Amino acid sequence: QKEVEQNSGPLSVPEGAIASLNCTYSDRGSQSFFWYRQYSGKSPELIMFIYSNGDKEDGRFTAQLNKASQYVSLLIRDSQPSDSATYLCAVGLYSSASKIIFGSGTRLSIRP
Amino acid sequence: DGGITQSPKYLFRKEGQNVTLSCEQNLNHDAMYWYRQDPGQGLRLIYYSQIVNDFQKGDIAEGYSVSREKKESFPLTVTSAQKNPTAFYLCASSATPSNQPQHFGDGTRLSIL
Repeated sequence: QKEVEQNSGPLSVPEGAIASLNCTYSDRGSQSFFWYRQYSGKSPELIMFIYSNGDKEDGRFTAQLNKASQYVSLLIRDSQPSDSATYLCAVGLYSSASKIIFGSGTRLSIRP
Repeated sequence: DGGITQSPKYLFRKEGQNVTLSCEQNLNHDAMYWYRQDPGQGLRLIYYSQIVNDFQKGDIAEGYSVSREKKESFPLTVTSAQKNPTAFYLCASSATPSNQPQHFGDGTRLSIL
């Protein structure tokens, strides 16, 4: 089992709809969770992070954690064509505070 | 502007050659990291450093070496022992080593001639 798993997609969502991206993780003790957006040929850009104490909303983005089921989700409301990118989920390991493990990403496509 | 600068943007390596990728940050971050990304894949950790003059191997350290002589700088050398070096190399930093968000440079694309 991979430490951080994401559906590779592509996930196709109509413009203006809600895009829902999910990520599961195996380290039950993990307490930090990150979402990065990566456009083709570019480096990852941090868009949201949450700790185990709660969900977070920032503009059109909401990150949610379900500790019991060991998954995190990213919701993007009012999806725009500029949201089309690969979204990387990353999880901080309980066993090593310095290390973050990345999933292989979900490709999101917003269709006009 | 504060940020992470990687150079060069593109690099070509000949067989048997060592090459060094530069990473400099002016964010005053303690921790720095090197990742490798292959097409359609996630990021794999090569080396990381929590403090000056200290660094640890990541998951795929073989064929790579690093140094951390200054807080601002964390260069990565891809040695001739790395038989499949073609990839996108990303340098990141975080304020402290402890599960903090990592911020990335623009990356270096390395190819074999």
